[in-house]
Amino acid sequence: AQKITQTQPGMFVQEKEAVTLDCTYDTSDPSYGLFWYKQPSSGEMIFLIYQGSYDQQNATEGRYSLNFQKARKSANLVISASQLGDSAMYFCAMRDLQTGANNLFFGTGTRLTVIP
Amino acid sequence: ETGVTQTPRHLVMGMTNKKSLKCEQHLGHNAMYWYKQSAKKPLELMFVYNFKEQTENNSVPSRFSPECPNSSHLFLHLHTLQPEDSALYLCASSRGGRDNINEKLFFGSGTQLSVL
Repeated sequence: AQKITQTQPGMFVQEKEAVTLDCTYDTSDPSYGLFWYKQPSSGEMIFLIYQGSYDQQNATEGRYSLNFQKARKSANLVISASQLGDSAMYFCAMRDLQTGANNLFFGTGTRLTVIP
Repeated sequence: ETGVTQTPRHLVMGMTNKKSLKCEQHLGHNAMYWYKQSAKKPLELMFVYNFKEQTENNSVPSRFSPECPNSSHLFLHLHTLQPEDSALYLCASSRGGRDNINEKLFFGSGTQLSVL
């Protein structure tokens, strides 16, 4: 069963606007962590932001914030004030103890294109 | 400069060749990973080494053979590959240990492998 679902294969956003990238996850483990990574055309996966299942507040890192809705099992990434350099693939990922803390499950990704 | 370096960046090989992918991390981490990234599929975890001990082997065919001589170096030896093995192979590292839900992975830029 797929643990991470990203339903948007591609998204477009105007420069300086905000964009939300969707992510839903599936786990019965009460303890888990959610991650977002960015993959530019160079190939390297760059860590953006982390949210723990017990964290009371939504995570924020600069222009990135995570809209964490635990009951809905969603962890959407919000990028504010989009820049041309934000054009890349974005991957949501999850780790839980149930399937082994060493395994980080990734979604299929969303390709974001920022339009000047 | 990335803390995780992969070589070569690109590799083209025939089905009868033997080649190796190399990964080196300069972050003082104790866990290293191989992931396979195929088009339109989630990243697939292949192997994990934690403190030089292999802790995950995700049903990977024996034509892929990992080697971890120390915590800083990881190899993936390839032999008699199939065209469907063509993909981006990503190496990653992390602090290591057990049950670290919030442990983030640091990735290299990958090796783009084409099997003819």
